Amino acid sequence: EAGVVQSPRYKIIEKKQPVAFWCNPISGHNTLYWYRQNLGQGPELLIRYENEEAVDDSQLPKDRFSAERLKGVDSTLKIQPAELGDSAVYLCASSAGLAASTDTQYFGPGTRLTVL
Amino acid sequence: AQSVTQLDSQVPVFEEAPVELRCNYSSSVSVYLFWYVQYPNQGLQLLLKYLSGSTLVKGINGFEAEFNKSQTSFHLRKPSVHISDTAEYFCAVSTPYPNTGNQFYFGTGTSLTVIP
Repeated sequence: EAGVVQSPRYKIIEKKQPVAFWCNPISGHNTLYWYRQNLGQGPELLIRYENEEAVDDSQLPKDRFSAERLKGVDSTLKIQPAELGDSAVYLCASSAGLAASTDTQYFGPGTRLTVL
Repeated sequence: AQSVTQLDSQVPVFEEAPVELRCNYSSSVSVYLFWYVQYPNQGLQLLLKYLSGSTLVKGINGFEAEFNKSQTSFHLRKPSVHISDTAEYFCAVSTPYPNTGNQFYFGTGTSLTVIP
């Protein structure tokens, strides 16, 4: 069974440029998560989808970040414009059920973003 | 709100020695507890989780953790470590109540290095 796929794995951009990350969750998984992991820190949840609905986006900086999950499968996270402080690893995870509190999350390898 | 504290950022240990990685949490409501491991250049994967029942939880790769409600702790242990256990370990807490907003918190991680 294929795991969570993310692309690109690495991205280097200049500040004020836009950037997008793509995630393909495990087939059949209803819930999809986007996390940001700063260096030396644990993952921080940005947004959680149940099917195509964003049910928790309280930590998403909505002035510059946006996300979508069309048809409840793949998802894209966008930053526009990027700032120096956005340099981090962006992780995507998925889980099978809709009980986000207890479900096992399966993580992709992440996208390492460097903003110059 | 919930929070997770991992008291040790780095833990070096000799091969075949026992290890304990400490995790404390704070929460005003009931919680579920998780340990995830991140091997170099890989995504996070679940080691074990405590949802209810027996306070001693056994996970993959010979790891176990004990939930201690009075101490608000969920320490991870392994009686004999291997070189392959070298990785970053994250403790996480979630709450069963969907109306509390961001309901999944990771600690800052503990880097375990097994010395030959």
